[in-house]
Amino acid sequence: GAVVSQHPSWVICKSGTSVKIECRSLDFQATTMFWYRQFPKQSLMLMATSNEGSKATYEQGVEKDKFLINHASLTLSTLTVTSAHPEDSSFYICSALLAGVYNEQFFGPGTRLTVL
Amino acid sequence: GIQVEQSPPDLILQEGANSTLRCNFSDSVNNLQWFHQNPWGQLINLFYIPSGTKQNGRLSATTVATERYSLLYISSSQTTDSGVYFCAALSRGAQKLVFGQGTRLTINP
Repeated sequence: GAVVSQHPSWVICKSGTSVKIECRSLDFQATTMFWYRQFPKQSLMLMATSNEGSKATYEQGVEKDKFLINHASLTLSTLTVTSAHPEDSSFYICSALLAGVYNEQFFGPGTRLTVL
Repeated sequence: GIQVEQSPPDLILQEGANSTLRCNFSDSVNNLQWFHQNPWGQLINLFYIPSGTKQNGRLSATTVATERYSLLYISSSQTTDSGVYFCAALSRGAQKLVFGQGTRLTINP
């Protein structure tokens, strides 16, 4: 149980275009999901916390108009990178919170974004 | 906010060896998790262990909450154990997991 999927696994786009990444909790409902970014050989950096039915909470330094987050259902959150530039190239990972006694987070497989 | 530090940053071992990875955290925690990030980037949940000891096959973990550290033990290492091991902590009253910088483990045949 507790499986999280992401789509797509990888994407290559041209500079200036927008890219949408989906994060789904497959076998549980997640009121809260998280979006992380990871550069090569570095740790995960939290970008934003996504709460179902409300606006996302962004970490300091993350542009909310560039990284649009929508959490329209209890099993789906989306991250849209708008007007992507080469510096946005990175590995994006989502997680979903399995709320309950343990409040454990489960992670998706990640999406590798390359902006040309 | 809470600080999470992992040591060592890199560890290279021969197959069959045992290893101990350490995670220190600066505040009381409600949640501490250990993950293994495989070569494809997937984070695999190893343990949810805010306190106490757990074992799963060749892996075990111990968290001493009063002394603010957690240890991950890997016995009889296999090449498939290679990858980066992260610990992440959630301090009381917080909603966000804070990750350590990871330990990169390389198991040579």
